[in-house]
Amino acid sequence: SQKIEQNSEALNIQEGKTATLTCNYTNYSPAYLQWYRQDPGRGPVFLLLIRENEKEKRKERLKVTFDTTLKQSLFHITASQPADSATYLCAPRGTGFQKLVFGTGTRLLVSP
Amino acid sequence: EAGVAQSPRYKIIEKRQSVAFWCNPISGHATLYWYQQILGQGPKLLIQFQNNGVVDDSQLPKDRFSAERLKGVDSTLKIQPAKLEDSAVYLCASSRARDTEAFFGQGTRLTVV
Repeated sequence: SQKIEQNSEALNIQEGKTATLTCNYTNYSPAYLQWYRQDPGRGPVFLLLIRENEKEKRKERLKVTFDTTLKQSLFHITASQPADSATYLCAPRGTGFQKLVFGTGTRLLVSP
Repeated sequence: EAGVAQSPRYKIIEKRQSVAFWCNPISGHATLYWYQQILGQGPKLLIQFQNNGVVDDSQLPKDRFSAERLKGVDSTLKIQPAKLEDSAVYLCASSRARDTEAFFGQGTRLTVV
């Protein structure tokens, strides 16, 4: 069956460092992968989309990579800030009428 | 543009009672999703609509949960009868097309006692 795995343990880093979050998937052949941010008590908010033919995508301090051979996406936040503290969710997705399914999410805590 | 609207924000019911949640997606969005999110877990897709047709409802407990999307716009999710394990946040989301970003509402926090 299809599986999406993200680190279930919280990632604690210091302000200014780079945070790297991992998304692994099995029994999937996604055409693209989305990353979302979720703050406590709120719904997820879309951050970035990367397609299977793109190795890397950047948006301000965010960078996403997509390795279809390793079946893995990495999500980087450079120069992290306490305001980046949140849970980050990945969602690999195929084409056509494919359902939008999320991983378990990784909680990021950035301390001053 | 206005976001995804959900109501109510909070609901407390006793087990075996019924409850309904309402969602109004962003205008023009063809795809609508309902998720259940238990504390500490990722959102679990219950049902996905494309206009007023069901794309996927494989994770919907059909013996107690039902959902409909009226005229391809608003949607309601119903639980009858509720169980203690249904306590969770129920999130509604919509997207313009099936492969574009999804916009989420604030969710309904359900507590079953």
